[in-house]
Amino acid sequence: GAGVSQSPRYKVAKRGQDVALRCDPISGHVSLFWYQQALGQGPEFLTYFQNEAQLDKSGLPSDRFFAERPEGSVSTLKIQRTQQEDSAVYLCASSSNSRSNEKLFFGSGTQLSVL
Amino acid sequence: SQQGEEDPQALSIQEGENATMNCSYKTSINNLQWYRQNSGRGLVHLILIRSNEREKHSGRLRVTLDTSKKSSSLLITASRAADTASYFCATAQSGGYQKVTFGIGTKLQVIP
Repeated sequence: GAGVSQSPRYKVAKRGQDVALRCDPISGHVSLFWYQQALGQGPEFLTYFQNEAQLDKSGLPSDRFFAERPEGSVSTLKIQRTQQEDSAVYLCASSSNSRSNEKLFFGSGTQLSVL
Repeated sequence: SQQGEEDPQALSIQEGENATMNCSYKTSINNLQWYRQNSGRGLVHLILIRSNEREKHSGRLRVTLDTSKKSSSLLITASRAADTASYFCATAQSGGYQKVTFGIGTKLQVIP
């Protein structure tokens, strides 16, 4: 595709529900990042994929968060048993070169509201 | 946790004035990038400076990097109302897969 696509754009979940957020990176991009952005803050790193390999998941806040990229393209971020503190914008970004992440292309994000 | 801290956190200027934003970071880096975010949207890459460079220009943007002080600045000259946005610095850490981490951002308002 022309850019990074994220869906849904908005998600409202009741506390305790499971949610799945999808990211379609730019075709052929090797690197894929997930970030969490709280209101008025900068993006906080969650996890990183190089092709299908999840090389870094040190930013995932708890074991309720899980990410995958099984075929090295589309990625899904899953949050189980959502809590109110999970409310944030979840951003996905991709980069063509895994050796030097010099330019990240971002999707518009998924705004998650947990009630 | 976030790698960088931008200063100031908020900046309000008149159209035509210059805007300067600063960023400090903590670890060794391969490069430093600046991004812009309009309200409710994803981030857009503006400019990159490598660790062996001291200054870079792109249009109305000028970036400096001082690796000894672990700091960078972004200067926007002749600002326009359309420059109103949040600006973030991001660092690609040296070594490993070059993890990219962001600062807390500077919210810039340009008053017409």
